[in-house]
Amino acid sequence: EPEVTQTPSHQVTQMGQEVILRCVPISNHLYFYWYRQILGQKVEFLVSFYNNEISEKSEIFDDQFSVERPDGSNFTLKIRSTKLEDSAMYFCASSRLSGGAVETQYFGPGTRLLVL
Amino acid sequence: GNSVTQMEGPVTLSEEAFLTINCTYTATGYPSLFWYVQYPGEGLQLLLKATKADDKGSNKGFEATYRKETTSFHLEKGSVQVSDSAVYFCALIVHGSGNTGKLIFGQGTTLQVKP
Repeated sequence: EPEVTQTPSHQVTQMGQEVILRCVPISNHLYFYWYRQILGQKVEFLVSFYNNEISEKSEIFDDQFSVERPDGSNFTLKIRSTKLEDSAMYFCASSRLSGGAVETQYFGPGTRLLVL
Repeated sequence: GNSVTQMEGPVTLSEEAFLTINCTYTATGYPSLFWYVQYPGEGLQLLLKATKADDKGSNKGFEATYRKETTSFHLEKGSVQVSDSAVYFCALIVHGSGNTGKLIFGQGTTLQVKP
């Protein structure tokens, strides 16, 4: 069964450093998402991406964040200058487009980011 | 706005007990409703879904019915197992113009099943 993959599974970085989180969505999916989950809290939407552009972003997704689909298979989330409060589990998700309605999203296993 | 509210956890049950986790929602459009499960140390897995009123989603002995009149999507299982211990998230997607399919999650309910 196809699945969403994410690398790395864990990343430790120093405050102020740039990090890039990588995702490979399911191959015939067209919508891509990033979510984050701060330890013990709810899962929060960050950004959605369709047709090579951001379709929606949350207030969390400020100028320090960017997303890219560089090669038709990978989908990346970059944090330019990490802050302590960026420490969280980051989930990538993807879905197909069916009948005009967005279908079920399938999640990757997550990248746990720790900013020191 | 759009939001999901789940019952507070943790919920602790003995094996073979009946499970209910309450979920209610508010939505400005017409939502699809989902339950996701997160096992310890793992990511989110879709458990079941329902896309219109009165639909019942079911999987692995779990079920939930989309109740538009009470704006609810309560998760139930007749006989829980230790392996069901996990965090359960209720979520919705609002469809319609301007909506990009983002999932809006409840706060999650931790279930602990004891042998």
